[in-house]
Amino acid sequence: AQSVSQHNHHVILSEAASLELGCNYSYGGTVNLFWYVQYPGQHLQLLLKYFSGDPLVKGIKGFEAEFIKSKFSFNLRKPSVQWSDTAEYFCAVNAEAAGNKLTFGGGTRVLVKP
Amino acid sequence: DAGVTQSPTHLIKTRGQQVTLRCSPKSGHDTVSWYQQALGQGPQFIFQYYEEEERQRGNFPDRFSGHQFPNYSSELNVNALLLGDSALYLCASSFLYGGAYEQYFGPGTRLTVT
Repeated sequence: AQSVSQHNHHVILSEAASLELGCNYSYGGTVNLFWYVQYPGQHLQLLLKYFSGDPLVKGIKGFEAEFIKSKFSFNLRKPSVQWSDTAEYFCAVNAEAAGNKLTFGGGTRVLVKP
Repeated sequence: DAGVTQSPTHLIKTRGQQVTLRCSPKSGHDTVSWYQQALGQGPQFIFQYYEEEERQRGNFPDRFSGHQFPNYSSELNVNALLLGDSALYLCASSFLYGGAYEQYFGPGTRLTVT
């Protein structure tokens, strides 16, 4: 069965700092990868996704993620965060052989101090 | 274009009772998935409905059941509620075929079992 690990449970940083959130998954077959964000009081929103092609994908709000197949990783990055990036971030994996159900990591709470 | 809607927003039930949660998918979507998000954790897949049938199921007991209607809306039923069923229940809709597999999430129903 597939599983997803997000190594940082909480991250605190100041505005303009760079952000990198780690995500590793365990599944040997073809996967689709996602990062979702949950802002305080709001529902889960898709930040970006990877299905195939260029392993560096760009999403909304200046976020990007890099798929490294050999490391089973899909880390999320943003060069300069804003206070409004305070949210919980979830990495999710869909194994193509398993239909389109999503397996989520435990989430990373990010607090950006103004 | 309305997104995914869920009702009710909040619900308080007593142990042993039964509950029904409702979801209307995003316009044009034909597939509904349900997830349980316990406090401080990532969402966990419960099951998925397509063409009014359960297509996939996660590791949840038979107390959790569902239904999909001809208009693609869906219900999640939980019988014999336990304290551990307290969680945010998320509905997500998508196209099953078409390659995107991108799931759109609703705001969730917060269930509290006392």
